[in-house]
Amino acid sequence: AQSVAQPEDQVNVAEGNPLTVKCTYSVSGNPYLFWYVQYPNRGLQFLLKYITGDNLVKGSYGFEAEFNKSQTSFHLKKPSALVSDSALYFCAVRDGRTGGFKTIFGAGTRLFVKA
Amino acid sequence: DGGITQSPKYLFRKEGQNVTLSCEQNLNHDAMYWYRQDPGQGLRLIYYSQIVNDFQKGDIAEGYSVSREKKESFPLTVTSAQKNPTAFYLCASNTDRSNQPQHFGDGTRLSIL
Repeated sequence: AQSVAQPEDQVNVAEGNPLTVKCTYSVSGNPYLFWYVQYPNRGLQFLLKYITGDNLVKGSYGFEAEFNKSQTSFHLKKPSALVSDSALYFCAVRDGRTGGFKTIFGAGTRLFVKA
Repeated sequence: DGGITQSPKYLFRKEGQNVTLSCEQNLNHDAMYWYRQDPGQGLRLIYYSQIVNDFQKGDIAEGYSVSREKKESFPLTVTSAQKNPTAFYLCASNTDRSNQPQHFGDGTRLSIL
């Protein structure tokens, strides 16, 4: 069965410091991994994805994520946080082997960037 | 611009009432989804549809119904059988390729009067 874990409910970081939002996953086949961001009373916006290839994936707004197969992790990172990055972040996984339509979302991590 | 439109943004339901949430997309996507979002629980799949006139139950389909008569539209009805309907409802769509991200609407917040 597929699953996604985001171990931190909230991450606090000072503006200008690097940030990391953690995600681990479990799938039977090849993982298709996604990060989304949600601002208050809005839908989710796609940030980046890992399908295959380079383990370091770059996405929107300066975010990047590192795929680690041995640790089954896909942590979201940004070298220098902005106050405007404060939002709710979701990691998601889909089983690439089955080509299924079902996406499993983590519970979300709230990022708070302090000025 | 292409996107997904959900309406209304806020909806109130009385006891014993069915309410319908609208979702329209102009992205020409085959697949559409309905999710329920509760605080601290992430997104849970209610129903999804891969093609017109066909849909499947997700993880929490009880008390909900859908239809897919047109490619662009995937309305969700919250029936009186759903005893705890208060939540934020999100509609999404994507192509029929599993390596593509989903596009989301801006949600409908449903509350009980």
